[in-house]
Amino acid sequence: EPEVTQTPSHQVTQMGQEVILRCVPISNHLYFYWYRQILGQKVEFLVSFYNNEISEKSEIFDDQFSVERPDGSNFTLKIRSTKLEDSAMYFCASRDAGVGYTFGSGTRLTVV
Amino acid sequence: GDSVTQMEGPVTLSEEAFLTINCTYTATGYPSLFWYVQYPGEGLQLLLKATKADDKGSNKGFEATYRKETTSFHLEKGSVQVSDSAVYFCALINTPKLTFGKGITLSVRP
Repeated sequence: EPEVTQTPSHQVTQMGQEVILRCVPISNHLYFYWYRQILGQKVEFLVSFYNNEISEKSEIFDDQFSVERPDGSNFTLKIRSTKLEDSAMYFCASRDAGVGYTFGSGTRLTVV
Repeated sequence: GDSVTQMEGPVTLSEEAFLTINCTYTATGYPSLFWYVQYPGEGLQLLLKATKADDKGSNKGFEATYRKETTSFHLEKGSVQVSDSAVYFCALINTPKLTFGKGITLSVRP
């Protein structure tokens, strides 16, 4: 069964550093997403990406965040200057033209 | 805006007990409804879904029926196992993004 692959599974970074979280969506999917889950809290929408541009973003997705699909297969989330409160599990997801989301297994980001 | 409300947790049951996890939603139009499961240390997995009113989603012994009149999508299982211990999230898709409930932790004792 096709999978969404995320790397790394766990990243520790110092406050103020830049991090890039990587995702390989399912190859024939059209829509790409990032969600995050702060420990013990609900899963929150960050951003959706379609046709090589952001289609929707949440209030959380401020100027510190950016997404890119650099080569037609990878989908990355960059946080420019990490803060302690960015510590969370980040999930990538992709979707075909229907409603079927497929999530990756997540990257646990720890900012120290 | 859209929202999903789940019953407060955690829930602890003995093996073979009956499970109900309540979920209600608020949305305009006709959303599709989902239950996702997150096993310890893992990501989100789709458990089941229903795309229109009166649809019943089912998987691994779990069931949920899309009730438009009560705006609910309660998750049920007749006999839980220890391996069902996980966090369960109710969610809806109305716009292109998913809206999740807070999640509820289920622990099943042997």
